[in-house]
Amino acid sequence: GAGVSQSPRYKVAKRGQDVALRCDPISGHVSLFWYQQALGQGPEFLTYFQNEAQLDKSGLPSDRFFAERPEGSVSTLKIQRTQQEDSAVYLCASSLDASASIGYTFGSGTRLTVV
Amino acid sequence: SQQGEEDPQALSIQEGENATMNCSYKTSINNLQWYRQNSGRGLVHLILIRSNEREKHSGRLRVTLDTSKKSSSLLITASRAADTASYFCAPTNTGGFKTIFGAGTRLFVKA
Repeated sequence: GAGVSQSPRYKVAKRGQDVALRCDPISGHVSLFWYQQALGQGPEFLTYFQNEAQLDKSGLPSDRFFAERPEGSVSTLKIQRTQQEDSAVYLCASSLDASASIGYTFGSGTRLTVV
Repeated sequence: SQQGEEDPQALSIQEGENATMNCSYKTSINNLQWYRQNSGRGLVHLILIRSNEREKHSGRLRVTLDTSKKSSSLLITASRAADTASYFCAPTNTGGFKTIFGAGTRLFVKA
């Protein structure tokens, strides 16, 4: 597609519920990133994929967070047993190549609210 | 990994004035990018400057890069109320990934 698409746009989850957030990157983009952004803060790195390989997951805050990109295109970020501190905007970004030679394209994000 | 740190944290100016934001980083870069984020939205790519470039223009935007000082600046000329947003720099390492964003500069342009 023309841009990075994220769904759902908004998600309200009860504490303890599992959620799955989807990212459709730009077709052909090799690199895919997930970021978490709390209100008033900059985006915090979560994880990075190059094609289907998850090369860096050092930013995932706990083992309740899991990301996959099985066919090297669409990615899903799953959060198990959600907690209130998981409330944030989750941003996905993709870039054409591994060195971001023409920059990243971000999606509009999924705003997760855990109640 | 590489983190950009923006300065100032917040900037308030009148419409028509110029706005200057600065970014510092720590290690060698391949390129440096600037992004804008309107409240509640994703980041929008504004401009990319490569490590062998010193200055770049795009419309009302002017970016400079000083690799000896490991710093960059973003100048928005003749600002408009619509420029009100947060601005982030993203230095990208040679080898590329895991860009870490700073807290950004919050620009408020008063009409």
